[in-house]
Amino acid sequence: QAQLVESGGGVVQPGGSLRLSCAASRFTFTSYGIHWVRQAPGKGLEWVAFVRYDGNEKYYADSVKGRFTISRDNSRSTVYLQMNSLRTEDTALYYCAKDGVVRAIRVYSDYWGQGTLVTVSS
Amino acid sequence: DIQMTQSPSTLSASVGDRVTITCRASENISGWLAWYQQKPGKAPRLLIYKASSLESGVPSRFSGSGSGTEFTLTISSLQPDDFATYYCQQYNSYSLTFGGGTKVEIK
Repeated sequence: QAQLVESGGGVVQPGGSLRLSCAASRFTFTSYGIHWVRQAPGKGLEWVAFVRYDGNEKYYADSVKGRFTISRDNSRSTVYLQMNSLRTEDTALYYCAKDGVVRAIRVYSDYWGQGTLVTVSS
Repeated sequence: DIQMTQSPSTLSASVGDRVTITCRASENISGWLAWYQQKPGKAPRLLIYKASSLESGVPSRFSGSGSGTEFTLTISSLQPDDFATYYCQQYNSYSLTFGGGTKVEIK
């Protein structure tokens, strides 16, 4: 079964930056896109960003466009989420999730990590 | 963005009940809809994709139907392990969106 492990969360002040990592294993990483999805405490799921299997296309939710950057290093089977100009409303558990179809662009997610918590607070 | 509206937001049911959750899209998404189950402190689990396709390993008591703007998730006979929150997600448009969730509670 595919495995995804997030890291890099923590406490940061408003306006600060943080970089999340998602280390993938047990599947052909270079054939699948990866999503970031977040969940604020006690709230629902919000899709954040997606990177295509080859890294050549990237998509963002309006709420993070211009502040967050998704990237991937296929040699390390890792996806990153660089988060700049953080706001209190970015406080959430951030999940990475594998796209469900080989070489697809933004479909459903069939495997999820356990998440990494980001807290934006002064 | 396409808005996804789930109803009800909370559902109280007993073991053995047939349960139906509805998800409505603000515009036509064809059949590009998935359903997830989430338990407290856990990551979401994919149940259904393409509106009605059952993910491998998911019990057959779960089923999905619908197309266009209206979709349903049905649990034919609710089991103790099914008490959780359920989310729909559309993947038809540039920006993927989730419904607000339906919490299935023990009656």
